[in-house]
Amino acid sequence: EADIYQTPRYLVIGTGKKITLECSQTMGHDKMYWYQQDPGMELHLIHYSYGVNSTEKGDLSSESTVSRIRTEHFPLTLESARPSHTSQYLCASSPQGGLRETQYFGPGTRLLVL
Amino acid sequence: GNSVTQMEGPVTLSEEAFLTINCTYTATGYPSLFWYVQYPGEGLQLLLKATKADDKGSNKGFEATYRKETTSFHLEKGSVQVSDSAVYFCALNFGNEKLTFGTGTRLTIIP
Repeated sequence: EADIYQTPRYLVIGTGKKITLECSQTMGHDKMYWYQQDPGMELHLIHYSYGVNSTEKGDLSSESTVSRIRTEHFPLTLESARPSHTSQYLCASSPQGGLRETQYFGPGTRLLVL
Repeated sequence: GNSVTQMEGPVTLSEEAFLTINCTYTATGYPSLFWYVQYPGEGLQLLLKATKADDKGSNKGFEATYRKETTSFHLEKGSVQVSDSAVYFCALNFGNEKLTFGTGTRLTIIP
């Protein structure tokens, strides 16, 4: 069973607020990812990291930013939330090395911006 | 580029019915193939995977066989239960960091 945690699970916030979505994993995985999931279910990769001090933009442009100061921690920040940011955000991790690694997902943060 | 095409949903079945969710892919080379499941209010969980042609992945009564000749990885289960109601995602990767997901298929099982 994978150990990857996301907080908060649900967040309702007003426009213009700064928010940080937390993601932590205790598996020592080097690779971590953030996905945005539409209400229609489709998943979009918005950020990923190969390891400490590594951050890359994903396939979908996002106004959010990420940091990776510690292996186990990969927070996502929105400096000024807008209603268009309303979505579910899923964090995932996978081990480094070898081929065909599996990604392990956290439970998600459901964000509503009013 | 790589892509995954999944059977469009939603799919509604009666309990104990046979399930097939189709998945085909487009890729150069031979990717690893995955089925992930997302239960209501949760993140994705790996259901099964196959890493080479003719491999069969299986878990919780679900099966999928990697068919190179038809570039397919269809998900099947012989007798579904209400607890199988979820969204199912087919995905592929080449061992790099990016999974390519299908759009998801919502499955509802009615008693």
